[in-house]
Amino acid sequence: DVKVTQSSRYLVKRTGEKVFLECVQDMDHENMFWYRQDPGLGLRLIYFSYDVKMKEKGDIPEGYSVSREKKERFSLILESASTNQTSMYLCASSSRQGTRPLHFGNGTRLTVT
Amino acid sequence: SQQGEEDPQALSIQEGENATMNCSYKTSINNLQWYRQNSGRGLVHLILIRSNEREKHSGRLRVTLDTSKKSSSLLITASRAADTASYFCATDMDTGRRALTFGSGTRLQVQP
Repeated sequence: DVKVTQSSRYLVKRTGEKVFLECVQDMDHENMFWYRQDPGLGLRLIYFSYDVKMKEKGDIPEGYSVSREKKERFSLILESASTNQTSMYLCASSSRQGTRPLHFGNGTRLTVT
Repeated sequence: SQQGEEDPQALSIQEGENATMNCSYKTSINNLQWYRQNSGRGLVHLILIRSNEREKHSGRLRVTLDTSKKSSSLLITASRAADTASYFCATDMDTGRRALTFGSGTRLQVQP
């Protein structure tokens, strides 16, 4: 079974801090994604990567950056955390081949105070 | 606004009843997928239906797709308390976009 592991389940940070959210997958998937989930808004795509060192902006990239130095690891970076970035962050991966269903991690609930 | 919109937003039924959730979308798709999310957890892929398919079954799940109406439905038959979760549709758009677009979800509560 594919395993997608997010490094923290809960995180509390202060406004202005630089925050790193880490995600690792163990199935050699080419594609990796970061979504944020907010009540009533569903999942919104922040960034995704289809190969090492490659990245594409999603629907809400402002205030975020990403890093993919190794195939199995995809990091989301909040350059200067703000309270409106308090949310559930979900990482996912998929194979490049075929219909590409996503495999999700269990999420990181980030609170920015 | 979202590519996929689920309806209803919330649904409460008794164990043994059927649950139907609907999803509408706006642009042409390659496929449509349904996911389930238990409270506080990540999403789990349930079923995928391709744009040239009209109906698909998997266990107690039945998915239909009407591309002329740009809509899909997920039917869970003989529901169980363990089916309590949020359900999301996600579209693989026919635009070259390499990521799925999710709707806002339906929260299903199955009363024992």
